Amino acid sequence: KAGVTQTPRYLIKTRGQQVTLSCSPISGHRSVSWYQQTPGQGLQFLFEYFSETQRNKGNFPGRFSGRQFSNSRSEMNVSTLELGDSALYLCASSLNPQNMETQYFGPGTRLLVL
Amino acid sequence: QKEVEQNSGPLSVPEGAIASLNCTYSDRGSQSFFWYRQYSGKSPELIMFIYSNGDKEDGRFTAQLNKASQYVSLLIRDSQPSDSATYLCAVNRGVTGGGNKLTFGTGTQLKVEL
Repeated sequence: KAGVTQTPRYLIKTRGQQVTLSCSPISGHRSVSWYQQTPGQGLQFLFEYFSETQRNKGNFPGRFSGRQFSNSRSEMNVSTLELGDSALYLCASSLNPQNMETQYFGPGTRLLVL
Repeated sequence: QKEVEQNSGPLSVPEGAIASLNCTYSDRGSQSFFWYRQYSGKSPELIMFIYSNGDKEDGRFTAQLNKASQYVSLLIRDSQPSDSATYLCAVNRGVTGGGNKLTFGTGTQLKVEL
């Protein structure tokens, strides 16, 4: 069974640009969550999607947005990039929101903002 | 006060010993608790979850939960060098509408020495 896949794996952008990251969940998993991981702040929750609906959002500015498609694939977008957005962005999928014990993480997208 | 607190370590234990990792949380409404292991340069992987007060054992791992004291712990018996990693405690407070918000601690680095 294929795991969670994320594309691209690495990305370099400059301040002010925008970026879109993609996540394909494990087959049969319908819930997708996004996290940001930095050395200073650790792993922080961005948002959770299920049935194409955002179920919850973390404490991030509106520049961070996401969506989920009918096949459960998800994208997140960061607009007007800032240096502090440099981080590892992790996507995780689970069967559904009631079964967080089935959550698996993808390999992540490492974003560097110059 | 951080929502989820862990000692950053490193925690060094000899091979074959018991490693004890601790985590405290501030939100009394938290409902489910998870331990993730993260090797350097890799994504977190779930190793234990616990929902009720008491102990839960799975192989060499035991998770302990005390909701009254807002305390979660992970015991690793017969520690092996391959257990050397950062262990992340995550606490979930379900939100209205059935969503989730996993809050992570900053992790404890475990080193198992030969």
